[in-house]
Amino acid sequence: DSGVTQTPKHLITATGQRVTLRCSPRSGDLSVYWYQQSLDQGLQFLIQYYNGEERAKGNILERFSAQQFPDLHSELNLSSLELGDSALYFCASSSSGPYNEQFFGPGTRLTVL
Amino acid sequence: DAKTTQPPSMDCAEGRAANLPCNHSTISGNEYVYWYRQIHSQGPQYIIHGLKNNETNEMASLIITEDRKSSTLILPHATLRDTAVYYCIVRVANDYKLSFGAGTTVTVRA
Repeated sequence: DSGVTQTPKHLITATGQRVTLRCSPRSGDLSVYWYQQSLDQGLQFLIQYYNGEERAKGNILERFSAQQFPDLHSELNLSSLELGDSALYFCASSSSGPYNEQFFGPGTRLTVL
Repeated sequence: DAKTTQPPSMDCAEGRAANLPCNHSTISGNEYVYWYRQIHSQGPQYIIHGLKNNETNEMASLIITEDRKSSTLILPHATLRDTAVYYCIVRVANDYKLSFGAGTTVTVRA
């Protein structure tokens, strides 16, 4: 158990819909990262937040957005969903410093029908 | 970004040491080598990281060559539960994200 929690575990929805994925980091970790893992693209970094502020952006689509709240939990919002958005979405957290290890949550499996 | 090259797959026998190679010939002086693994769609799990010295923890040992162009992750006594995809990642200086490649699928056989 990494200490990072993600909800829901599974999500099935239809194209065009909007969903919100939630992540609670390990106690004391200020950084939260979101990654997407699809069959054809592998594990890809989406976005990072540090103490409520966006710090780095990766291959995140404009239809996707994220935020980190004062209690440090984070949400990833996916809108206008397409079939290709079906993937595993992982959240990770780390303490301060660029070389600290990231601890990953169990992921949310999103299926878009 | 420094790129890494890993064999796509390897088998090893339960109870034996598993040696996982990784090439990172374009690594810069201030870039660390990280190893993570992912067991069957679970979240990736941190294993170990190092800069230039060999490192050991309760999970594994990391051997980095003197020129830092390659490294080897050693699982000293592989168990069936070590079956996973192992990712070798070079961390770009001041870049917080992890850039995962295809990794090595390691299958531990009884």
